[in-house]
Amino acid sequence: KQEVTQIPAALSVPEGENLVLNCSFTDSAIYNLQWFRQDPGKGLTSLLLIQSSQREQTSGRLNASLDKSSGRSTLYIAASQPGDSATYLCVPRNFGNEKLTFGTGTRLTIIP
Amino acid sequence: ETGVTQTPRHLVMGMTNKKSLKCEQHLGHNAMYWYKQSAKKPLELMFVYSLEERVENNSVPSRFSPECPNSSHLFLHLHTLQPEDSALYLCASSQAFGTPGGYTFGSGTRLTVV
Repeated sequence: KQEVTQIPAALSVPEGENLVLNCSFTDSAIYNLQWFRQDPGKGLTSLLLIQSSQREQTSGRLNASLDKSSGRSTLYIAASQPGDSATYLCVPRNFGNEKLTFGTGTRLTIIP
Repeated sequence: ETGVTQTPRHLVMGMTNKKSLKCEQHLGHNAMYWYKQSAKKPLELMFVYSLEERVENNSVPSRFSPECPNSSHLFLHLHTLQPEDSALYLCASSQAFGTPGGYTFGSGTRLTVV
């Protein structure tokens, strides 16, 4: 059974800093991993999708890496902005199981 | 908008009411999902439909009844709900199982049962 852990659970940093969010998962038999952000009371917005054969993906100020064998992914956010404040979720997708496993995410607050 | 549209955005209903949540996607996806998110809890999968057939029912009470008339539409019919059913209900879609695509979520319906 897949389990997802995200560290830290909450993070508060001043605007402009670079930061790293960590994700670990127990079942490495995945074919991709997706990073989402969720604003309070809203749906999930997809940020990056990394296939199991890839090591990283970049979109603007965001860079996600994947080390499938060790069950880890990181999301790097450069030059953070107040609009980046949200909860960030990493979601691995396992072979033969469409039941996505969600952790509780990292709640990020960027201080202006 | 993400490509997955949910209506209504907010719903308040009494315990004896009957209402329905609607989800629509035109992304060409052929799998659709209902998730429940209660306060300060991870998302919980409720139902999965693939090619319009229900492939998973995650031990959801019968007061929740899903319907998938075609690959673009998904409904969640609600009746005789309890206050603890108050939550954010999220719909998602994806390509068929075993393909490398990701998931797309809607904005959710905030349900309050009074």
